[in-house]
Amino acid sequence: AQSVAQPEDQVNVAEGNPLTVKCTYSVSGNPYLFWYVQYPNRGLQFLLKYITGDNLVKGSYGFEAEFNKSQTSFHLKKPSALVSDSALYFCAVSRGFSGGYNKLIFGAGTRLAVHP
Amino acid sequence: KAGVTQTPRYLIKTRGQQVTLSCSPISGHRSVSWYQQTPGQGLQFLFEYFSETQRNKGNFPGRFSGRQFSNSRSEMNVSTLELGDSALYLCASSLARGLERGHTGELFFGEGSRLTVL
Repeated sequence: AQSVAQPEDQVNVAEGNPLTVKCTYSVSGNPYLFWYVQYPNRGLQFLLKYITGDNLVKGSYGFEAEFNKSQTSFHLKKPSALVSDSALYFCAVSRGFSGGYNKLIFGAGTRLAVHP
Repeated sequence: KAGVTQTPRYLIKTRGQQVTLSCSPISGHRSVSWYQQTPGQGLQFLFEYFSETQRNKGNFPGRFSGRQFSNSRSEMNVSTLELGDSALYLCASSLARGLERGHTGELFFGEGSRLTVL
């Protein structure tokens, strides 16, 4: 069965410092990996994805993530955090063609708090 | 281009009632997926519709149903509401089901319909 783990409920970081939000996954076959962000009382916004190609993917708002097949991880990173980055971050996986690209399995979410 | 529109944004129902939620996808998007978000269970996939047909289904009881119209608008229905159905219901649209027609895997989410069951 597919699953996504986000081991940290909350990540605290000072503004200007680098941030990392962790994600590991379990899926048979080639994974399709995504990061979404949710602001209070809003829907989810797409940040970035890994489908194939370079393991380091760059996305919106200066975020990037590295696909590591051996460690089955897809950690989200940003070199310099902003207070406005404070939100709830979700890692998700799909099985692509075999399981449906649009059927996402989400992690539990990690709340990022960036302090001034 | 207008985003995904969900109506109503908030609603309150009592146990045993039924509810219908509506989703208008981004113009040109043909796939509509529904997700349930609760504090306890997180984000869970309900179903996906494409070309007016259900293409994928999550692990929810038959009380949860949906449909898609020829203009790609979708509705989901929950019958015989239970307290545990209280949740934020999110609709997401995409160009296609697979990586074709310009679809790159990204889903576009609406702001959700928050259902409270009393």
